[in-house]
Amino acid sequence: AQSVTQLGSHVSVSEGALVLLRCNYSSSVPPYLFWYVQYPNQGLQLLLKYTSAATLVKGINGFEAEFKKSETSFHLTKPSAHMSDAAEYFCAVSDLRGSNYKLTFGKGTLLTVNP
Amino acid sequence: DADVTQTPRNRITKTGKRIMLECSQTKGHDRMYWYRQDPGLGLRLIYYSFDVKDINKGEISDGYSVSRQAQAKFSLSLESAIPNQTALYFCATGTGNSNQPQHFGDGTRLSIL
Repeated sequence: AQSVTQLGSHVSVSEGALVLLRCNYSSSVPPYLFWYVQYPNQGLQLLLKYTSAATLVKGINGFEAEFKKSETSFHLTKPSAHMSDAAEYFCAVSDLRGSNYKLTFGKGTLLTVNP
Repeated sequence: DADVTQTPRNRITKTGKRIMLECSQTKGHDRMYWYRQDPGLGLRLIYYSFDVKDINKGEISDGYSVSRQAQAKFSLSLESAIPNQTALYFCATGTGNSNQPQHFGDGTRLSIL
């Protein structure tokens, strides 16, 4: 079974600082990977996705992630944090077996941005 | 209007009551999903449906049932609610392509006393 590990349930950064949210996956085949963001009282919104076209993926709001097969990682970064980035972030891996497409989510990382 | 609409947004009820959460979508997707979110546990899949005649259990289906009334409607029922079913519930839709993201509703916050 596929799984996702997000290291750090809570990350706190200062405004303007680098944001790094870690995601490691396990998969027997090259996966498709997604980062979602959840703002308070809202559903999940797609930030970016990796679907094997390019290992460095750019998403919305200045976020990007790099797929590293050797490290089985898909860490999310943003060079300069903004107050509006405060939210919970989820990494997810797509189950490619057959046509039973399901997403497996990590447990989430809550990002706090301090002024 | 939202592409994936969940009703109600909030619900407080008592142990033993039957609850139905509803989801409708205008995205035209065949696949619909119900997830449960608990603090520190992320999202866990309860049930999913690939079309009106295809319903599948997820990893935590015990205590829940679903109905796919139409391509655009997928409801989740708790036949006899218990306090540990207190959680945030999300409906999502998707295409048949595993490289495409799922699209989420805004969630239903359910509290069972």
